[in-house]
Amino acid sequence: GENVEQHPSTLSVQEGDSAVIKCTYSDSASNYFPWYKQELGKRPQLIIDIRSNVGEKKDQRIAVTLNKTAKHFSLHITETQPEDSAVYFCAASIAGNQFYFGTGTSLTVIP
Amino acid sequence: DAGVIQSPRHEVTEMGQEVTLRCKPISGHDYLFWYRQTMMRGLELLIYFNNNVPIDDSGMPEDRFSAKMPNASFSTLKIQPSEPRDSAVYFCASSLGGVHTQYFGPGTRLTVL
Repeated sequence: GENVEQHPSTLSVQEGDSAVIKCTYSDSASNYFPWYKQELGKRPQLIIDIRSNVGEKKDQRIAVTLNKTAKHFSLHITETQPEDSAVYFCAASIAGNQFYFGTGTSLTVIP
Repeated sequence: DAGVIQSPRHEVTEMGQEVTLRCKPISGHDYLFWYRQTMMRGLELLIYFNNNVPIDDSGMPEDRFSAKMPNASFSTLKIQPSEPRDSAVYFCASSLGGVHTQYFGPGTRLTVL
């Protein structure tokens, strides 16, 4: 099956700086890559996703890039704010059904 | 839409007791997923259903765990007998087939004493 690795496991940045989280996957058949944000005590919520036919996608301060050749994708958050502090999970999906989640990155934005 | 609904939100039970967790997916969604989340193991997929039929239960830890989906609007995850190591947050999620977003419920925090 698919194996998703996520780095780093923890990340601290100063408010206003950028944060980058990276994930790699093993199965070249994976074609859908969502990112979820989970605040403390809350449910995971989708923040952005990308499909395998696209190399980059942006939504305001959040962007995701995908390199199919290298089998890795990254989440970029610019102009970080304290409310960006959360755990972020990447996932890869083969055939769009079962998600294989990374182990999560705990992001802390220091005011 | 009310989103994915789970009950109970918190459950505290004693080792050996039966525990039943409930989930109502978003109306019209044809996929339902059960996940377990712990600090040590992160988010683990336990089982998922398509059109009420279990597709992959390879994540179910052992025979003490069972899941059913009797109709399109209801699913249960049962643990019998429960053990302290089952303590975790259990999430239910649903999606509309194919390559689509999974929407998570609020989770059930299970504590087995």
